[in-house]
Amino acid sequence: RKEVEQDPGPFNVPEGATVAFNCTYSNSASQSFFWYRQDCRKEPKLLMSVYSSGNEDGRFTAQLNRASQYISLLIRDSKLSDSATYLCVVNRENSGTYKYIFGTGTRLKVLA
Amino acid sequence: DGGITQSPKYLFRKEGQNVTLSCEQNLNHDAMYWYRQDPGQGLRLIYYSQIVNDFQKGDIAEGYSVSREKKESFPLTVTSAQKNPTAFYLCASNTVWDESNYGYTFGSGTRLTVV
Repeated sequence: RKEVEQDPGPFNVPEGATVAFNCTYSNSASQSFFWYRQDCRKEPKLLMSVYSSGNEDGRFTAQLNRASQYISLLIRDSKLSDSATYLCVVNRENSGTYKYIFGTGTRLKVLA
Repeated sequence: DGGITQSPKYLFRKEGQNVTLSCEQNLNHDAMYWYRQDPGQGLRLIYYSQIVNDFQKGDIAEGYSVSREKKESFPLTVTSAQKNPTAFYLCASNTVWDESNYGYTFGSGTRLTVV
């Protein structure tokens, strides 16, 4: 089992729809969490950090559930430009240092 | 503008050849990283460096080498010992190694192909 798991998709949604992705992690020592966006053949870019209390940035809402060990990303009013792969990233301590673990990504296609 | 610059964008390597990928940052970040991305797989850590003149192996270091002679620079050499080097290589940095709330800044990547 992978340490960070995501549904690869693709999620095909019409413009204006609301879509949600989940990401599960297996190591309870994980300490911080992020969502990155990666466009085709480009580098990942930080979308948002995920805080324990949940956080929102415009149309994007991220939540963390430590008890069930998952994080989620909700996108409201989807735009064509939201089409991308969304990477879940977990940061945990590893022998005195911190290690980022990347999920394989969930692909989103927003359709006109 | 501050950022991370990777070069070249595309690189073709012949069998048995060593090639070096460049990564330079002007963000004054302490830590730098090299990742490899293959289709359908998450990013996998090759090497990382927390301070100048020090670096550590990641999960898939075999067939790769690095140096960190300057804070701004962290070049990666893909040696002939790396049997499957065709991949998308990403360099990243962040400002504080043990602060868990900071994400990475990535370079734009180098796409390496063996010919």
